[in-house]
Amino acid sequence: DIQMTQSPSSLSASVGGRVTITCRASQRIRNDLCWYQQKPGKAPKRLIYAVSNLQSGVPSRFSGSGSGTEFTLTINSLQPEDFATYYCLQHNDYPWTFGQGTKVEIK
Amino acid sequence: QVQLQESGPGLVTPSQTLSLTCAVSGDSISAGGYYWSWIRQQPGKGPEWIAYIHDSGATYYNPSLKSRVTISIDTTENHFSLKVTSVTAADAPLYYCARVDYYGYGLDVWGQGTTVTVAS
Repeated sequence: DIQMTQSPSSLSASVGGRVTITCRASQRIRNDLCWYQQKPGKAPKRLIYAVSNLQSGVPSRFSGSGSGTEFTLTINSLQPEDFATYYCLQHNDYPWTFGQGTKVEIK
Repeated sequence: QVQLQESGPGLVTPSQTLSLTCAVSGDSISAGGYYWSWIRQQPGKGPEWIAYIHDSGATYYNPSLKSRVTISIDTTENHFSLKVTSVTAADAPLYYCARVDYYGYGLDVWGQGTTVTVAS
């Protein structure tokens, strides 16, 4: 299985601040990576697909980058509604695997 | 706008079989050639992908669960289902159904999730 190592596992940030979350794959996954946001009691919501493509309706303060085995989700100008847990998903090889999550909390 | 809604028993006895259904609304499950998937999640952990199915009947399973799970689809009822046999506490608590992106870019539409408790 491809292991997705996400870091950090949690972080504190201020409203208006910038957040960077990293996912490292145990092998190359081309551009087969998505980012999801999950709030308590809710289903994950896709933010980014194919590494850097913004899901329709998702604010432009979210962006994704990376290649090969290292990928990044960046949130600029953090808003109160962005405090949540974020996951990456690789769908390059079976079984599809998620990262362990990064919880973004208010500082 | 397609919507997915999971349903299940809520409580299942250890060693028994868990049966879940995902009702698809807003579109035909067999229109558009989508794949349909099940995912589960334990508290504080990343989701775990279980399986997916196409309306043609093509399936793919997570090898770690393949011996105990079966995914099926009913195009007349517009839903798909999951069965997990020989359940234990490790099979709790939260199951989601989701649609695979048409172009294969992961999972784009999710249901709200259904909670499963394994207890006698």
